Amino acid sequence: AQKVTQAQTEISVVEKEDVTLDCVYETRDTTYYLFWYKQPPSGELVFLIRRNSFDEQNEISGRYSWNFQKSTSSFNFTITASQVVDSAVYFCALAGAGSYQLTFGKGTKLSVIP
Amino acid sequence: GAVVSQHPSRVICKSGTSVKIECRSLDFQATTMFWYRQFPKQSLMLMATSNEGSKATYEQGVEKDKFLINHASLTLSTLTVTSAHPEDSSFYICSATTSSWPGELFFGEGSRLTVL
Repeated sequence: AQKVTQAQTEISVVEKEDVTLDCVYETRDTTYYLFWYKQPPSGELVFLIRRNSFDEQNEISGRYSWNFQKSTSSFNFTITASQVVDSAVYFCALAGAGSYQLTFGKGTKLSVIP
Repeated sequence: GAVVSQHPSRVICKSGTSVKIECRSLDFQATTMFWYRQFPKQSLMLMATSNEGSKATYEQGVEKDKFLINHASLTLSTLTVTSAHPEDSSFYICSATTSSWPGELFFGEGSRLTVL
């Protein structure tokens, strides 16, 4: 069975602070995909990143960066110099090989205070 | 880029009525679509996997007769909530994949159902 754990339920930071959202996963698959999505109050899921299990390189996209550590089964997400517009619920998700049936974590609600 | 559209985005209905939600892939053929349900302040839970031209595969605990899924074409899947009750009030969101693994995965905007 697959499992995604986002231990942080809610985080509040002051604008311009850096914040890291944790994601730990469990899977028996050797090939799998990890995702991060942003869900603003309007509800739609905004795709942030997809990473396959064979690519352990960290990735940076603007103020966003991701740290994939296969040894600890973690795929953490850092927002640098946070902004009020970053306030949302962030979901980490996992898909096994061959299917995009996603297993989502419970989400982390990020509040960025001006 | 490819887009998945859901309709309606919001629907309010009376208890006992049925509601149909559409999920369309606008510029690609989606051989597989997925339906998720999200209760307020909770995570997304997979309800069913829908393959074009075949019966949907439901997750454990999801009532097939209550949540009817039809994937009649490569661009359209529908979810019908039959005899809706207030406990069915939720955010329903679909996703669609392009053919051949790993392809691409796209989510619809979601549909918020409120049953009075």
